Amino acid sequence: DAMVIQNPRYQVTQFGKPVTLSCSQTLNHNVMYWYQQKSSQAPKLLFHYYDKDFNNEADTPDNFQSRRPNTSFCFLDIRSPGLGDAAMYLCATSRQLLAGSSTDTQYFGPGTRLTVL
Amino acid sequence: QKEVEQNSGPLSVPEGAIASLNCTYSDRVSQSFFWYRQYSGKSPELIMSIYSNGDKEDGRFTAQLNKASQYVSLLIRDSQPSDSATYLCAVGGSYNTDKLIFGTGTRLQVFP
Repeated sequence: DAMVIQNPRYQVTQFGKPVTLSCSQTLNHNVMYWYQQKSSQAPKLLFHYYDKDFNNEADTPDNFQSRRPNTSFCFLDIRSPGLGDAAMYLCATSRQLLAGSSTDTQYFGPGTRLTVL
Repeated sequence: QKEVEQNSGPLSVPEGAIASLNCTYSDRVSQSFFWYRQYSGKSPELIMSIYSNGDKEDGRFTAQLNKASQYVSLLIRDSQPSDSATYLCAVGGSYNTDKLIFGTGTRLQVFP
């Protein structure tokens, strides 16, 4: 089945120790997204890619970086995690919008729960 | 700032009843609307998408859209305890954007 996969499902790190979360997809979608979601809050978009074209949200901290080496894979790097970065990190994909059409459905992976000690 | 508003709940309904979840949005030119279900500790799962005014039915779920009132709703008929979850409303912006704006969700509790 076509799907979005995230690894690991649970990640524990120490304050200030870099961590990398990964996402892969078999949907062949060329748009990929990273969201941060804290308890009882809406998913917050961190950045997204159109193919390799990177789009950062204005309020995403510099502590968060991303890489997309190919269509299938995308990585989220947190350079120096703080206690406030503990959250669920969600990867999503969608087909690229055709000019003049509406926003397409986003499909989410299972998420990575990050704990910062 | 573009916003999507939902009542956080919890909305409690008895098993077999109709659950009605509501969402309002601020961007008048929004064109696409989605309902996602999110179980505790899990990721959002698409329930319905709707693009045109009126009703769209899929099994026990009906999405209703009124662009003039900037209002979208989700009805769940014959509610089951397994429907207990948080329901996120997501709104796509104007044409030529791939970003969604999410509400904070409504927590639904279906009791036996």
